[in-house]
Amino acid sequence: EDKVVQSPLSLVVHEGDTVTLNCSYEVTNFRSLLWYKQEKKAPTFLFMLTSSGIEKKSGRLSSILDKKELFSILNITATQTGDSAVYLCAGLPYAGNNRKLIWGLGTSLAVNP
Amino acid sequence: DGGITQSPKYLFRKEGQNVTLSCEQNLNHDAMYWYRQDPGQGLRLIYYSQIVNDFQKGDIAEGYSVSREKKESFPLTVTSAQKNPTAFYLCASSTPLAGGSPHEQFFGPGTRLTVL
Repeated sequence: EDKVVQSPLSLVVHEGDTVTLNCSYEVTNFRSLLWYKQEKKAPTFLFMLTSSGIEKKSGRLSSILDKKELFSILNITATQTGDSAVYLCAGLPYAGNNRKLIWGLGTSLAVNP
Repeated sequence: DGGITQSPKYLFRKEGQNVTLSCEQNLNHDAMYWYRQDPGQGLRLIYYSQIVNDFQKGDIAEGYSVSREKKESFPLTVTSAQKNPTAFYLCASSTPLAGGSPHEQFFGPGTRLTVL
């Protein structure tokens, strides 16, 4: 059965710390891995990773995919209280027109001032 | 502005009543999805639709129904057959996968349903 596992489930840090969130996956006919940030309402898209070893970066956030070891990490440097959220990752398989994402349970990040 | 709207934001219903959650998008996306989110359970797919007049069951379709009569709209009905309907419901849309690069799903703001 396909699955995506995120770790840790929750994390508390102080402003300015650097954090690394992990996402491992077992997805049949894997195509891409996606990261989302969910604050109170709708998840907002962060990154989509399709190729192994190519870092994607947006400001203080970056992410990379390892297709050999079947995992991805999301790094946040110099954390701010506004980074507090649940971070979700999801695997996207090839399946014709099927766009079913396989979701992890999320990592809840709390950044304290 | 382009986006996805869901209404209402909060919804209360009595046990035994059916209720319909609205989802509208003006992103010209072909594919639309309904998810349910419960604490500690992540996002679970209820139904999805790749094209107008077609939809498929997701992982937890029992007790729910949908329709896709227009490209912009994908309403979800929570029926009285759904045993634990209290949850946060999220609608999403995306461009089709076939023939192109994969595209992310965009989410609406969600509807929080409480059954009294």
